Amino acid sequence: QQQVKQSPQSLIVQKGGISIINCAYENTAFDYFPWYQQFPGKGPALLIAIRPDVSEKKEGRFTISFNKSAKQFSLHIMDSQPGDSATYFCAANNPGGGADGLTFGKGTHLIIQP
Amino acid sequence: EAQVTQNPRYLITVTGKKLTVTCSQNMNHEYMSWYRQDPGLGLRQIYYSMNVEVTDKGDVPEGYKVSRKEKRNFPLILESPSPNQTSLYFCASSLRADRGLQPQHFGDGTRLSIL
Repeated sequence: QQQVKQSPQSLIVQKGGISIINCAYENTAFDYFPWYQQFPGKGPALLIAIRPDVSEKKEGRFTISFNKSAKQFSLHIMDSQPGDSATYFCAANNPGGGADGLTFGKGTHLIIQP
Repeated sequence: EAQVTQNPRYLITVTGKKLTVTCSQNMNHEYMSWYRQDPGLGLRQIYYSMNVEVTDKGDVPEGYKVSRKEKRNFPLILESPSPNQTSLYFCASSLRADRGLQPQHFGDGTRLSIL
């Protein structure tokens, strides 16, 4: 059972363009939605995160948009740069439940073409 | 430098030969966990630990063991490895055991191949 659905699986964007990665969830108990960025040969690193009481959070060129009613959230990368080429994971935290709370999407492999 | 250190980074071994992947963090974090990353499947949690001597199963615990005797160390043990455990493994830690609320710090991964 996949609790967080991420799309697309891969994405190619021209330098300077906007990269958009989408995630959807079903569990309304989720209370925290982080995005992780992973470069080849490295572990994932927290990029930006949002709580469901906020509709948007911006940090530099990275923005999370959150739609609570639709149970969807997305990562927007403005003015995408070749250095942004990486795998991006969305995640959602469940404060209750048996297994540990953080559930990851399957990841998006982003390539920014110069 | 704050970090999560995994060893080894790469390992090729054979079916049935017990192995241990070590994980150590120097940030005095309470919470530690192990994930495996497979193409098309993303990150799946194997085991996690809320604190010393407290461990619990994640989503894919079969074939794995862990221990948490000290706060800084959280080794992953494969008693009898099988080819379906060939994967990229990550150890992670976070400050408090607030489940996912604290940012998780990941190691650089261990690429494990079981022949």
